[in-house]
Amino acid sequence: EPEVTQTPSHQVTQMGQEVILRCVPISNHLYFYWYRQILGQKVEFLVSFYNNEISEKSEIFDDRFSVERPDGSNFTLKIRSTKLEDSAMYFCASRRTGGQAYEQYFGPGTRLTVT
Amino acid sequence: AQSVTQLDSHVSVSEGTPVLLRCNYSSSYSPSLFWYVQHPNKGLQLLLKYTSAATLVKGINGFEAEFKKSETSFHLTKPSAHMSDAAEYFCVVSEGNGGATNKLIFGTGTLLAVQP
Repeated sequence: EPEVTQTPSHQVTQMGQEVILRCVPISNHLYFYWYRQILGQKVEFLVSFYNNEISEKSEIFDDRFSVERPDGSNFTLKIRSTKLEDSAMYFCASRRTGGQAYEQYFGPGTRLTVT
Repeated sequence: AQSVTQLDSHVSVSEGTPVLLRCNYSSSYSPSLFWYVQHPNKGLQLLLKYTSAATLVKGINGFEAEFKKSETSFHLTKPSAHMSDAAEYFCVVSEGNGGATNKLIFGTGTLLAVQP
């Protein structure tokens, strides 16, 4: 069964550095998402991406964040000038075309630790 | 705006007894509702979804949920708990009207413990 993959599983970085989190969505999916889960808190929406552009972003997704689909398979989340409060589990998700009902498939997550 | 409220942060049951995880939703129109499960150090796995078809939805691993519009509820149940069911469960609503976004709004989660 196809699945969403994410690398790395754990990333440690120093405050102020840049990180890139990578995701490979399911191959026939066209909608892509990033969510994050700070330890002990609920999963929060960051950004959605369709047709090579951002379709919606949350207030968390400030100008330090960016997303890109550099080729036909990868979907990346870049965070510049990382802050301590960026420490969280970051989940990538994808879904196929269609209406509201189609579920999103999640990757296993990348745990980002900013020190 | 749509939202979900999970009424219990922790639920503990004995193996072999029924499971009930409660969720209430708020939506301005007909919602799509989901239950996801997260096992320790694992990603989020879809258990089941409601998409305005049958109100009683069956999912994987013997779980099911019933959509009750009059009560704005979407509670998750299982007749007999198994040790492997111990995990965190999230009630989720999809916000959007079929467009490009359809972001998911998560509840705060219910941690299910299963005692031997």
